[in-house]
Amino acid sequence: GQNIDQPTEMTATEGAIVQINCTYQTSGFNGLFWYQQHAGEAPTFLSYNVLDGLEEKGRFSSFLSRSKGYSYLLLKELQMKDSASYLCAVSVGRAGKSTFGDGTTLTVKP
Amino acid sequence: GAVVSQHPSWVICKSGTSVKIECRSLDFQATTMFWYRQFPKQSLMLMATSNEGSKATYEQGVEKDKFLINHASLTLSTLTVTSAHPEDSSFYICSASATSTDTQYFGPGTRLTVL
Repeated sequence: GQNIDQPTEMTATEGAIVQINCTYQTSGFNGLFWYQQHAGEAPTFLSYNVLDGLEEKGRFSSFLSRSKGYSYLLLKELQMKDSASYLCAVSVGRAGKSTFGDGTTLTVKP
Repeated sequence: GAVVSQHPSWVICKSGTSVKIECRSLDFQATTMFWYRQFPKQSLMLMATSNEGSKATYEQGVEKDKFLINHASLTLSTLTVTSAHPEDSSFYICSASATSTDTQYFGPGTRLTVL
């Protein structure tokens, strides 16, 4: 099976920077996704990393190290609306199945 | 782009009845669609992978006769929960991707409550 670990909860202050880590152990790795999920809603796509390195998209950046089985999502200039659950998901195999971590609940405080 | 819709957004049904949930990719052709279930405060659990024109592949522990999946076109997949019971009450979410390894875009989800 696939093992995906990410912290359960994090708290940060509005305007600050927060880094959410994700480690994984898997075979047949295709890539790693980050999704944002607000309570009661479906996940929304944030990023997809296939190659090693950092990809920046506005306030959000995502990093991947395939050799280390490690990724992080970096959120800058935090806003209250960023309070949500952040899901790390690994795509594996030809079928492209994604296995999700349990999610990290981020609370942004004023 | 990459919009996925689900219908209905919520449904309440009596125990023993069947419920059909539709998942549509509105602006792209989805070779692969995935069906997930999410219980409160838990992560998404993949139920099955659906490829257009072929039988769905179910995850271990998911009853294929209870959760019927049809992917008859490149823009539509349906999940039918047959003989629903209260323990089937959950948030059902589909996702669609252009190819099996592309980004999955999620529908808004369907909240099922079985009385």
